[in-house]
Amino acid sequence: SQQGEEDPQALSIQEGENATMNCSYKTSINNLQWYRQNSGRGLVHLILIRSNEREKHSGRLRVTLDTSKKSSSLLITASRAADTASYFCATLNFGNEKLTFGTGTRLTIIP
Amino acid sequence: DAGVIQSPRHEVTEMGQEVTLRCKPISGHNSLFWYRQTMMRGLELLIYFNNNVPIDDSGMPEDRFSAKMPNASFSTLKIQPSEPRDSAVYFCASSFAGEVTDTQYFGPGTRLTVL
Repeated sequence: SQQGEEDPQALSIQEGENATMNCSYKTSINNLQWYRQNSGRGLVHLILIRSNEREKHSGRLRVTLDTSKKSSSLLITASRAADTASYFCATLNFGNEKLTFGTGTRLTIIP
Repeated sequence: DAGVIQSPRHEVTEMGQEVTLRCKPISGHNSLFWYRQTMMRGLELLIYFNNNVPIDDSGMPEDRFSAKMPNASFSTLKIQPSEPRDSAVYFCASSFAGEVTDTQYFGPGTRLTVL
């Protein structure tokens, strides 16, 4: 079963608006990562947040992690048409190299 | 760096035929992962290697699937015999185990269609 479940499954917003995606997971983690997948392409790593961190920024990306609720959110500010893609969260457990991916959020930015 | 290289990019075959997918990881990476992605099941980890040794193959669907990593720069995923339900996009990814980030770098994928 999927460790991570993204919410919503699909999101459409106007260019320039902010997009927020959520991820919930089930077991204790070492870190949580977000990946982007453009149509027909492989996944690209965006940002990683460790279990002892609560918030992290990278450019227009902001990730939060709440280990008590086993949830994370990805915020993309000032969205652009090029941000149109599917976004996946992935969790890494302690003592393990396996990333477990969620089901993904399909984000569409309307120009 | 060229990134993770996969071949072929597209493969169309008939049921019952043998299919071999190939992957060249990023030079210096010591972990390699094979994933399968479908609309129904999402992204599934099939098997991963560390230092060329298979560590976890619990995701391999059945005996028709096999994977090898004869050296640090090459891996294959073989399906024999192939079935229509094997149609999917197969991704290879590599990482450097031991890095704090454990970030995985994905190849462009092989789109497999079994008729």
